[in-house]
Amino acid sequence: DADVTQTPRNRITKTGKRIMLECSQTKGHDRMYWYRQDPGLGLRLIYYSFDVKDINKGEISDGYSVSRQAQAKFSLSLESAIPNQTALYFCATSDSPPRTGGAGETQYFGPGTRLLVL
Amino acid sequence: AQKVTQAQTEISVVEKEDVTLDCVYETRDTTYYLFWYKQPPSGELVFLIRRNSFDEQNEISGRYSWNFQKSTSSFNFTITASQVVDSAVYFCALSEANNAGNMLTFGGGTRLMVKP
Repeated sequence: DADVTQTPRNRITKTGKRIMLECSQTKGHDRMYWYRQDPGLGLRLIYYSFDVKDINKGEISDGYSVSRQAQAKFSLSLESAIPNQTALYFCATSDSPPRTGGAGETQYFGPGTRLLVL
Repeated sequence: AQKVTQAQTEISVVEKEDVTLDCVYETRDTTYYLFWYKQPPSGELVFLIRRNSFDEQNEISGRYSWNFQKSTSSFNFTITASQVVDSAVYFCALSEANNAGNMLTFGGGTRLMVKP
């Protein structure tokens, strides 16, 4: 079984609809992330969470919200979807660094969710 | 601010050729981490390598090798004797040690097409 799973894998929705993308992991990592991928732009960070009580905005959080239901689950919501949110969405996880304030731990990605907003 | 540039948007080679994918980065931190990921046509992102800024040793893993040069802020990736299964989009990424969010900054990716 995959360590990081995302549901759904593909979704078509209409402008103005609320949708939720879900991510689950069995790696036992504390840290989870949501990214979106647009052609030619690589991946950009939407939100991240270092533990269940910790939620932080990333580079492009406008129009999105998240929920960390448990250590293993991190959901991304589009409250009112718009066409420019059409993209490939990735969830990722990483371990915590061995010391406070550290960084650079490897992030492991889920298979992605293809979202089309009409 | 951190930035990663992959100037080659697409590369096409014939099987068994060697190919180098370029990655140039910008950072003000003295401690940082560099990564390469592979995205095959199926779409998932596969981790390939992580390198910290204090380790400039080149790394070889089978047909893959990486050349890290701080003097030119580059972390290039070479595939020797390419195979059709190497066809994918490859991303270089950077994480600064002082980045509170452990955010990865990705380059735009290089699409590698290996023809039989």
